[in-house]
Amino acid sequence: DTGVSQDPRHKITKRGQNVTFRCDPISEHNRLYWYRQTLGQGPEFLTYFQNEAQLEKSRLLSDRFSAERPKGSFSTLEIQRTEQGDSAMYLCASSLSGGDAYNEQFFGPGTRLTVL
Amino acid sequence: DAKTTQPPSMDCAEGRAANLPCNHSTISGNEYVYWYRQIHSQGPQYIIHGLKNNETNEMASLIITEDRKSSTLILPHATLRDTAVYYCIAAYNNNDMRFGAGTRLTVKP
Repeated sequence: DTGVSQDPRHKITKRGQNVTFRCDPISEHNRLYWYRQTLGQGPEFLTYFQNEAQLEKSRLLSDRFSAERPKGSFSTLEIQRTEQGDSAMYLCASSLSGGDAYNEQFFGPGTRLTVL
Repeated sequence: DAKTTQPPSMDCAEGRAANLPCNHSTISGNEYVYWYRQIHSQGPQYIIHGLKNNETNEMASLIITEDRKSSTLILPHATLRDTAVYYCIAAYNNNDMRFGAGTRLTVKP
């Protein structure tokens, strides 16, 4: 399967613990996005990368959140000192950039985080 | 980004056309209208997009009013597998994708 993959698919943690999620984009895609989705809501933009550069961060991305894409391929999203309000689905998407054609975002299946 | 307004839910009979409306009265001239859908427990999936002209692909048709203040996504022959949340987004490009709550479409047999 050459789609976007995310690991783990589910994570249960206790409040105050740190968690890290991984996203592997489609191999030729240079853009990578992170979103958060809570029940009944649409995905909320968190941040995106072009290659290894983090080009935009939402104000939703508090100091406890950090995302990296060190070699311009896979990305990690870390949440430090988790809070119950962090419980959500964390979605990753990737796309190409440039050119005149629209480059759709391809989404992964998401990582569901539950903070107890 | 322009705010879009969609009905929270709609029903459609299997085999009939599903017409999903979207209002984007403050859309700017350079903003496209994008549609994605999200089937339960999956990530969103791109459907179609347009700027001014009506568009059609293998999944759906997009009808944009002449003043661009609203649009309609048409699924010509809805199937049970089209049951999903449909998101209408107004944005300049794919870096500007801001999803609202969408319309939950239920296709009934």
